[in-house]
Amino acid sequence: DQQVKQNSPSLSVQEGRISILNCDYTNSMFDYFLWYKKYPAEGPTFLISISSIKDKNEDGRFTVFLNKSAKHLSLHIVPSQPGDSAVYFCAASVGNAGNMLTFGGGTRLMVKP
Amino acid sequence: GAGVSQSPSNKVTEKGKDVELRCDPISGHTALYWYRQSLGQGLEFLIYFQGNSAPDKSGLPSDRFSAERTGGSVSTLTIQRTQQEDSAVYLCASSLVEGDGYTFGSGTRLTVV
Repeated sequence: DQQVKQNSPSLSVQEGRISILNCDYTNSMFDYFLWYKKYPAEGPTFLISISSIKDKNEDGRFTVFLNKSAKHLSLHIVPSQPGDSAVYFCAASVGNAGNMLTFGGGTRLMVKP
Repeated sequence: GAGVSQSPSNKVTEKGKDVELRCDPISGHTALYWYRQSLGQGLEFLIYFQGNSAPDKSGLPSDRFSAERTGGSVSTLTIQRTQQEDSAVYLCASSLVEGDGYTFGSGTRLTVV
C-alpha cells in the first residue's frame, strides 16, 4: 500500500508558465513533507520542505502548499525554466529529526523552451 | 569529502553472483539510509542505520540482502546470488539527527545479466 502517491507520472509545461506538481498521502501521522528533484545519473537533491503546522512555504520560484484535511500537497514552480526539467519526488516523514522518508513514485517535469 | 560518496557508480554482474555496494556518508551524519529505484519506479526504502545499529530493516526485499555499518561511518549493502529483478539504482543518503531531509549520493546502477 503506497502511503505517498504522485498520480501524474509526467507533466509538460511551457517555459515561463506555472508548473504544479501534486502529491497525496494516506498516513495521518506524517507531519513533515519534502520535495526532491532528481536529474538523470544524479542522486535526488533537496528542494523545499514544509511542516504540518504550516500550510505554505515559499523559497524563490518554489512554493509548497499543504492541505492537511485533504492529505494533499503541491509544489508550484513559477516561472518554470528549462533547467527545471527533472523528476520531482514528494516525500513524507513522522517528525523531521533524521527520520525515514517515504517517497512517492515521482513526476517527470519537462519544461519546453 | 563534502557529499555522500557511493561506489561503484556502475556495476554489471552475472546472475547468481554476489555484489557489494559501498556508501561513504557525510562526516558527522549519524543516520544513513539505503533506497533503490527500479526502472520507472519511485524510491523504495531498504534499510536505515542510526550509528552502527539498524533499527529498521523492514524494507530489505529478501534474505539475500544484508547491510552493515561500522564505525558509524561507511556502510556496505551486500546482495547475494543476484537476480535480474535486483537490477536498479541503489541510492544511499545520510542526515544529521536534526536536519532538513537527506543528502543523497549519486547512486550505484546495478545491472544483473
